[in-house]
Amino acid sequence: AQTVTQSQPEMSVQEAETVTLSCTYDTSESDYYLFWYKQPPSRQMILVIRQEAYKQQNATENRFSVNFQKAAKSFSLKISDSQLGDAAMYFCAYRENAGNMLTFGGGTRLMVKP
Amino acid sequence: GAGVSQSPSNKVTEKGKDVELRCDPISGHTALYWYRQSLGQGLEFLIYFQGNSAPDKSGLPSDRFSAERTGGSVSTLTIQRTQQEDSAVYLCASSWGTGGYTEAFFGQGTRLTVV
Repeated sequence: AQTVTQSQPEMSVQEAETVTLSCTYDTSESDYYLFWYKQPPSRQMILVIRQEAYKQQNATENRFSVNFQKAAKSFSLKISDSQLGDAAMYFCAYRENAGNMLTFGGGTRLMVKP
Repeated sequence: GAGVSQSPSNKVTEKGKDVELRCDPISGHTALYWYRQSLGQGLEFLIYFQGNSAPDKSGLPSDRFSAERTGGSVSTLTIQRTQQEDSAVYLCASSWGTGGYTEAFFGQGTRLTVV
């Protein structure tokens, strides 16, 4: 079974600084997708960024970018110019190309200090 | 509607009672998922519906849990004879189709507290 691990239960960053959240996963598949979701106090999960495993180029969405290392099975999220509104729980998730469900990591709570 | 809607937002129930949680997916979305999020934990897959296909029930933790989806739209998750360990946030998500790159849109969840 696939597993997703987020080794940082909490992270803190100063406003306007950069922070990197870690994620590793375990799979024997070669065709899959990886996601980062944000969960603010409202509880609603919001997609931040996604990456196709067969693409070597790292995905970027404005201030959010990923460092995808397929051989190492690592998928970290970098948030640049951190803003107070970035404070939330962040979840890394995995899905096989032919799969249905998303498998989530345990989450990282990000605090942003003004 | 504009997004995935879940009701109630919060539910407190006595141990041993049955509860029903409702999910209204985004109109036109064929796939619907239920997840459970225990305090401070990640999301645990419960069940998945896709169109008229048989649901994937592989994540349901016990036979006290069941779900149905009527008319390919609204879904109800039922927990019978609730236990304290059932206390969690239950999240519903929907998407166009399945697999791969498809984005799942989540509701705000139902926080269930069993006392």
